[in-house]
Amino acid sequence: QSVLTQPPSASGTPGQRVTISCSGGSSNIGSQNVCWYQHLPGTAPRLLIYANYQRPSGVPDRFSGSKSGTSASLAISGLRSEDEADYYCAAWDDSLSSPVFGGGTKLTVL
Amino acid sequence: QVQLQESGPGLVKPSETLSLTCTVSGGSTNTYCWSWIRQTPGKGLEFIGYICHNGDTNYNSSLRSRVTISTGTSKNHFSLKLSSVIAADTAVYYCARASRSYDMIDWFDPWGQGTLVTVSS
Repeated sequence: QSVLTQPPSASGTPGQRVTISCSGGSSNIGSQNVCWYQHLPGTAPRLLIYANYQRPSGVPDRFSGSKSGTSASLAISGLRSEDEADYYCAAWDDSLSSPVFGGGTKLTVL
Repeated sequence: QVQLQESGPGLVKPSETLSLTCTVSGGSTNTYCWSWIRQTPGKGLEFIGYICHNGDTNYNSSLRSRVTISTGTSKNHFSLKLSSVIAADTAVYYCARASRSYDMIDWFDPWGQGTLVTVSS
């Protein structure tokens, strides 16, 4: 059971905007920055968002992150078929003194 | 562009030691921190630990008694050893570069593609 909670699945049609939520607590999301990773099975996970809303070079601006209190969200606008993947949130946990992850959300593009 | 690749046995017997190596190309372990993360069907992604360029290490408290992460004389490799493995250690193991500030990990990037290790007799 993961420390951070994500919905197991999400879906949308091409061109739509979808959001994926990530819920935590005061020792992680409530006090630390959140990252988001995209993972296509069989490939290396990819950093999408760091420091809550910052995008690394090369990540399209269709991907955006936000945080409020002990929850964070990843939004994907202009959904494309290549966005079909697993998405994970992560944050440092002060109580565990280590990074923690969400259980992952499988995004399906219908 | 930094790239990482995991290597090691895909099958380990119960009670033995799992040993994996991560090869870093396009960079070296002289900077940043270098980490191991695993993915199990039951527990999702799980942080195992990291070693930094200055030798600092941090391990998941639930694995600390069995884990060692080290860098060798070569500055483009780092390794994971997990002792006394059990079936629950069966997972895809990833290596990743980590950015650390104020003793906290900010992000992992890039990651290797991962290697499946099965614990079975």
